[in-house]
Amino acid sequence: GESVGLHLPTLSVQEGDNSIINCAYSNSASDYFIWYKQESGKGPQFIIDIRSNMDKRQGQRVTVLLNKTVKHLSLQIAATQPGDSAVYFCAPTEGSNYKLTFGKGTLLTVNP
Amino acid sequence: NAGVTQTPKFQVLKTGQSMTLQCAQDMNHNSMYWYRQDPGMGLRLIYYSASEGTTDKGEVPNGYNVSRLNKREFSLRLESAAPSQTSVYFCASSDWGRGYEQYFGPGTRLTVT
Repeated sequence: GESVGLHLPTLSVQEGDNSIINCAYSNSASDYFIWYKQESGKGPQFIIDIRSNMDKRQGQRVTVLLNKTVKHLSLQIAATQPGDSAVYFCAPTEGSNYKLTFGKGTLLTVNP
Repeated sequence: NAGVTQTPKFQVLKTGQSMTLQCAQDMNHNSMYWYRQDPGMGLRLIYYSASEGTTDKGEVPNGYNVSRLNKREFSLRLESAAPSQTSVYFCASSDWGRGYEQYFGPGTRLTVT
């Protein structure tokens, strides 16, 4: 099965700084890579996806970088805000039904 | 537009009791999913339904059954609850062709004593 790991289980940043959350994966056949955000007491929320034929994708204040050579992706959050405090999961897809494999997540804490 | 709703929000069961977790979505999505999340862990897929009338096992299906009642509703049943099933259960749905963009409900916190 898919093995998904995160380099940093916790990350603490100052408000206004940029945050970088890393994720390693093992299945080179994954077609999409998804980032989800989970705030305390809530269900996960889709943030952004990147397809395997891309190496960079930008959204609103977020950028995803994908390095297929080393099977690594990262989520960069610009000008981190207190509302960004949450657990962030990367989830590669598996198969045509896009089943997701979630890693353990990284807890991002933004200090005011 | 409520999105994905789950009932109940909290439940305490004794070992051996049964219960059904309800999930409904109003986004006309084809696919629905049940996950469990244990403390400090990611989500693990229990069962999913790619479309109305079909269900398939996920990573951790043992001890659970599901019913895709119609396009809107997908229920999860615990026939004989065990302490190992203490967890937070999330239901999710996704649109056709974008199964990776899943919309999650608020979760059901289940404790089995």
